[in-house]
Amino acid sequence: EDKVVQSPLSLVVHEGDTVTLNCSYEVTNFRSLLWYKQEKKAPTFLFMLTSSGIEKKSGRLSSILDKKELSSILNITATQTGDSAIYLCAVLSSGSARQLTFGSGTQLTVLP
Amino acid sequence: NAGVTQTPKFQVLKTGQSMTLQCAQDMNHNSMYWYRQDPGMGLRLIYYSASEGTTDKGEVPNGYNVSRLNKREFSLRLESAAPSQTSVYFCASRGLPGLAGGHTDTQYFGPGTRLTVL
Repeated sequence: EDKVVQSPLSLVVHEGDTVTLNCSYEVTNFRSLLWYKQEKKAPTFLFMLTSSGIEKKSGRLSSILDKKELSSILNITATQTGDSAIYLCAVLSSGSARQLTFGSGTQLTVLP
Repeated sequence: NAGVTQTPKFQVLKTGQSMTLQCAQDMNHNSMYWYRQDPGMGLRLIYYSASEGTTDKGEVPNGYNVSRLNKREFSLRLESAAPSQTSVYFCASRGLPGLAGGHTDTQYFGPGTRLTVL
C-alpha cells in the first residue's frame, strides 16, 4: 500500500523565519512528487518534482527531491502571514490514471 | 476558463437520504477524480475516471457511485448517506491547463463541497 508521511504535523513561526517541511514516501512505481498549498478551499499546485537533486524554486519557496532517501523537503524563506496554510505532499504512481497518494499535511501558521 | 467547478458548495442531509455531487471542467482534461478530505487524514481518493467512459475505484469507494457523463462532467452519488460520509469533497481533473505552466501530471482541484450527514 502506498504511503506518504509528512512532518511536522503543525508548525508555528513568526514572520521572517525560515521553515522546512518534510515529506517521505513508500510508493510502488514512483513517477513524481507534488506539493500543494491549501488555504481555506481547494489545494493549489506549487511544484512537481521528478528528478532527484534538482531544486525547483518559486519566489521564496523551493523544493528538492531525494529519490535515494525517498523524501522531499519544501523550504519557505522570509515567511509572511500569507504563507499560513496546510501544505500537502502527494506522490504520483505510474499508470493510466496517474493516481495521487496524499500525506496528511503540515499546518503552517505564521504570526506577525 | 472556469477551471473545475463543483455544486453544491454546502449540503446537509439526513441519514438515509441520497444526493449527487456535480463536477465539471472546461480544460479538456481526460482524467477526473473524486476525493474526500477529513481532519488529520489528508485527501483520500474515492473514485477516478482515466478517460471518458471508464471509472475505477480508489482507496475509499464504499457507499459511493460515480458517473462520467461526458468528457467535461463527473458526478459522485451517495445512495444512502451515513454520518461517516460527513466530509469535504473535492473533484479534480488532470492535464495541461489552458493557462501557462502546468504539466500532464498536475491535478487541478475544484472549490469543494462541504457535506454534513445528520
